[in-house]
Amino acid sequence: ELKVEQNPLFLSMQEGKNYTIYCNYSTTSDRLYWYRQDPGKSLESLFVLLSNGAVKQEGRLMASLDTKARLSTLHITAAVHDLSATYFCAVDVNNAGNMLTFGGGTRLMVKP
Amino acid sequence: KAGVTQTPRYLIKTRGQQVTLSCSPISGHRSVSWYQQTPGQGLQFLFEYFSETQRNKGNFPGRFSGRQFSNSRSEMNVSTLELGDSALYLCASSPWTLNTEAFFGQGTRLTVV
Repeated sequence: ELKVEQNPLFLSMQEGKNYTIYCNYSTTSDRLYWYRQDPGKSLESLFVLLSNGAVKQEGRLMASLDTKARLSTLHITAAVHDLSATYFCAVDVNNAGNMLTFGGGTRLMVKP
Repeated sequence: KAGVTQTPRYLIKTRGQQVTLSCSPISGHRSVSWYQQTPGQGLQFLFEYFSETQRNKGNFPGRFSGRQFSNSRSEMNVSTLELGDSALYLCASSPWTLNTEAFFGQGTRLTVV
């Protein structure tokens, strides 16, 4: 059974600080997604990582994928309050985006 | 381009009743997946439909079922509702070609009382 584990589950940080969220998974997969969810809202796609060594950046967020280590990271640079949300990683077992196994989520609070 | 549309957005049902949720995928997308999100269990895959056929199914009881129509719209049904079925139900659509991603709808918030 595929397991996807995120840590930390909760992260409180000051504006301007850097931090990394980790996503470990238990089976071979070349595809991993990161999503953002605001309270009561749906999932917003942040990054799609399609191969070993993939790195993508958008604003203050950067995601990377190491398929050999079965590890993805989401790095936050100089956090701002607007980044407060819950972040999920998800592993795509079918390589087609239609059957995802999600991590437990990391709730991020950025304090002014 | 219209996104994934789920209806209704909110629903309150009584234990023992049944409920049907609807999902209209992005135009041209043939794969529709359903997920349940609860505080305790997180986001869990329910099932996936492609060309009116269920191709993948998660670990949920038979009370959870779904179908897909020829226009790719999908419905999921939950019979004999239990309190534990209270959740946000999310639908996602994808073109189902290699190296594509899924796009999620706004979800249906189901409360069972």
